[in-house]
Amino acid sequence: EDQVTQSPEALRLQEGESSSLNCSYTVSGLRGLFWYRQDPGKGPEFLFTLYSAGEEKEKERLKATLTKKESFLHITAPKPEDSATYLCAVRANSGGSNYKLTFGKGTLLTVNP
Amino acid sequence: DAGVIQSPRHEVTEMGQEVTLRCKPISGHDYLFWYRQTMMRGLELLIYFNNNVPIDDSGMPEDRFSAKMPNASFSTLKIQPSEPRDSAVYFCASSGDRTLNYEQYFGPGTRLTVT
Repeated sequence: EDQVTQSPEALRLQEGESSSLNCSYTVSGLRGLFWYRQDPGKGPEFLFTLYSAGEEKEKERLKATLTKKESFLHITAPKPEDSATYLCAVRANSGGSNYKLTFGKGTLLTVNP
Repeated sequence: DAGVIQSPRHEVTEMGQEVTLRCKPISGHDYLFWYRQTMMRGLELLIYFNNNVPIDDSGMPEDRFSAKMPNASFSTLKIQPSEPRDSAVYFCASSGDRTLNYEQYFGPGTRLTVT
């Protein structure tokens, strides 16, 4: 069974204080690791897809990296508007259900001004 | 370009009543997904469709839940009879082979409260 574990559950930063969120996964044949951002009362918003170990993607203050066992979402000099829940999900070779995403429970990030 | 549309946004009902949630996927997407999100269990996949055909319904909790996709632009998730433990936010998402990275695009969700 595919498993995704995110840590920490919650993270509080001061504006400008860089940090990283972790996503550890156990899957049989990774076909993609996805990062989403979710604001309160809204649906998850797609950020990145990573496919292979060593791959990196960047968007503004966010950079996602991938190894064979985990992914990191690095946040550089965060601003209050970066406050949200960040979700990690994996797409794996799960029998015939190749489009299924398994999500972690998320990290609630709060950036104080 | 309109995103995924869900209705209603909020639903409050009494235990035992039938509840129907609705979803319109992004035009041109041929995959549609129904998820449920709770604090305890996070975001869970209930069922997904490809070209209007259910592919994987292993996440549907029990026979009280059913989903249909009569055409490419409309899907429903029905709970009958509803129970308090069904209270959650239900999301619909869509995706397609033309989506560059097979990412899924989510609707705003329906917050269901069963009293």
